Amino acid sequence: QLVLTQSPSASASLGASVKLTCTLSSGHSSYAIAWHQQQPEKGPRYLMKLNSDGSHSKGDGIPDRFSGSSSGAERYLTISSLQSEDEADYYCQTWGTGILFGGGTKLTVL
Amino acid sequence: EVQLVESGGGLVQPGRSLRLSCAASGFTFDDYAMHWVRQAPGKGLEWVSGISWNSGSIGYADSVKGRFTISRDNAKNSLYLQMNSLRAEDTALYYCAKSVSYDILTTFDYWGQGTLVTVSS
Repeated sequence: QLVLTQSPSASASLGASVKLTCTLSSGHSSYAIAWHQQQPEKGPRYLMKLNSDGSHSKGDGIPDRFSGSSSGAERYLTISSLQSEDEADYYCQTWGTGILFGGGTKLTVL
Repeated sequence: EVQLVESGGGLVQPGRSLRLSCAASGFTFDDYAMHWVRQAPGKGLEWVSGISWNSGSIGYADSVKGRFTISRDNAKNSLYLQMNSLRAEDTALYYCAKSVSYDILTTFDYWGQGTLVTVSS
């Protein structure tokens, strides 16, 4: 069964970097995913599509501070030079017979 | 500029119906699949339904299958969600989302701001 697992929370300091993880369930390590950001009280925003080989294509206007990478069944979102507006919920999403979201990671910028 | 504007939400009693609409602009609507995604209060995102560019491929989450119907009118650049037999657990903010391609099994690159559906007696 296709499942996406994310840690519920993460934190990092202003100006630092943070790496968020999304793990695909066993047998699904070749799947591409997408990352979406949801700032407080706002609709989600597409960040990027991330392939199993680590290649990724970002959405319109997404800063270079946001990057993606992959290793096995894990998909990563790295945010460098953290800013206050990066404090948000981050969701990974994939597709198989249907479309599926991970539970989301709440990022706190200290 | 891509814009997706949802409407039609509101307070409805359990068992009743509601129809959501999404008005799209800023892109060639009939080139892309479209989706509905919902978010219950304080919870994460849940895909509800998707429809391909020509309505030839449609998918639903198990939680809404048989109760909700997605449709689109390419001439009006509009997406719809007919919701019947509503339940308390359908209470959520409903987002319209644009697919990155003509098919439904992929991701979304633009989202609306959502319309709130509250199911309560």
